[in-house]
Amino acid sequence: SQQGEEDPQALSIQEGENATMNCSYKTSINNLQWYRQNSGRGLVHLILIRSNEREKHSGRLRVTLDTSKKSSSLLITASRAADTASYFCATDAGSNTGKLIFGQGTTLQVKP
Amino acid sequence: NAGVMQNPRHLVRRRGQEARLRCSPMKGHSHVYWYRQLPEEGLKFMVYLQKENIIDESGMPKERFSAEFPKEGPSILRIQQVVRGDSAAYFCASSPETWSEQFFGPGTRLTVL
Repeated sequence: SQQGEEDPQALSIQEGENATMNCSYKTSINNLQWYRQNSGRGLVHLILIRSNEREKHSGRLRVTLDTSKKSSSLLITASRAADTASYFCATDAGSNTGKLIFGQGTTLQVKP
Repeated sequence: NAGVMQNPRHLVRRRGQEARLRCSPMKGHSHVYWYRQLPEEGLKFMVYLQKENIIDESGMPKERFSAEFPKEGPSILRIQQVVRGDSAAYFCASSPETWSEQFFGPGTRLTVL
């Protein structure tokens, strides 16, 4: 099974609402990163959170990390139609090379 | 400061031909990673390179696939004798050091007819 697994697989909300996506992983990590991918496009880096950090903010994004539960969450507040995309978490699975292990992603649809 | 550049953006090959995908990392980045994304799936790690060295190729298929990152010029992912199952989006990412943010290029979408 995947090192990173996102939940839910799909999420549909109205503009202005908050969206929460979760990610679970199996092994120890050095860091965890969240990415956004618009349909047919490349990945945009959102936030990197290190294993000794518990929470990070960037604009309307808030990421939490619970290493005891091996889980992370991405919260997007006051969502906009432009936030419609797939969101992926990726961990380095404690590797000494930094290679990322991606989950299957959460597809977010924000309705105007 | 230009981001990660990949070319071509789209590549069509017939079965048995060779595919060459190029990646120029961000300025100042010496670490390059290649990933493959099949339709409706997440990305899968293929290979990690630093200048002139392959550091980790644990995700590379054992045959037909090779990668290089020469002292001068872009990193190249080469697929020989392509098959239909190689059709995918191939993404390159670069970073300034091992455990920092990886920044992705726009990808090359390979279609094998």
